[in-house]
Amino acid sequence: QVQLVQSGAEVKKPGASVRVSCKASGYTFTGSYMHWVRQAPGQGLEWMGWINPASGATNYAQSFQGRVTLTRDISVSTVYMELARMMSDDTAVYYCARGNRQDQLLFSDSWGQGTRVTVSS
Amino acid sequence: DIQMTQSPSTLSASVGDRVTITCRASQSISRWLAWYQHKPGKAPKLLISAASTLESGVPSRFSGSVSGTEFTLAISSLQPDDFATYYCQQYSSYSVTFGQGTKLEIK
Repeated sequence: QVQLVQSGAEVKKPGASVRVSCKASGYTFTGSYMHWVRQAPGQGLEWMGWINPASGATNYAQSFQGRVTLTRDISVSTVYMELARMMSDDTAVYYCARGNRQDQLLFSDSWGQGTRVTVSS
Repeated sequence: DIQMTQSPSTLSASVGDRVTITCRASQSISRWLAWYQHKPGKAPKLLISAASTLESGVPSRFSGSVSGTEFTLAISSLQPDDFATYYCQQYSSYSVTFGQGTKLEIK
């Protein structure tokens, strides 16, 4: 079955960077976009960007331009999300989510378990 | 990026009620709008794509419509399983945007 397994919780100081990994299994890794979405406490879903694992092409939300970088390692079927210069309002649960087969800009029901990132001095 | 304004943020209703949720796009997105149902601890579930196309297995009490840049999700007769948070999502360009979400609560 399709599984997306994310790395563990992180605590970072303001100004630091975080790198979260998402390891995929159960499907052809290069066949689907991988999106990153975050949810701050008590808030809604916020899309951050996507990566096409086949080509490495990326697209980022304007609000994260210059701060977020998505990369992939095909050899281990893993996508990475790095967020730089974090502030307290970056405290959130970060999710990877596989693109939908009918349209890669839609979300499938395959999401990672979430990685809690806390930014605190 | 295209902005999506979703309303209301909270909606209280009873089983059997008909409810509607609205999303307005900041510019034309044609019909590139999807609706998701999200329950705590679960992945969001795609209900409707292309503004009004019901996904396989989604009950027919859910429907979507569009008028210009205003999109509506309607649930015709609320069932207990429908109480959740609903999000719209535009996908008209290489970027996507979610609405702020609507929490549908039991009155």
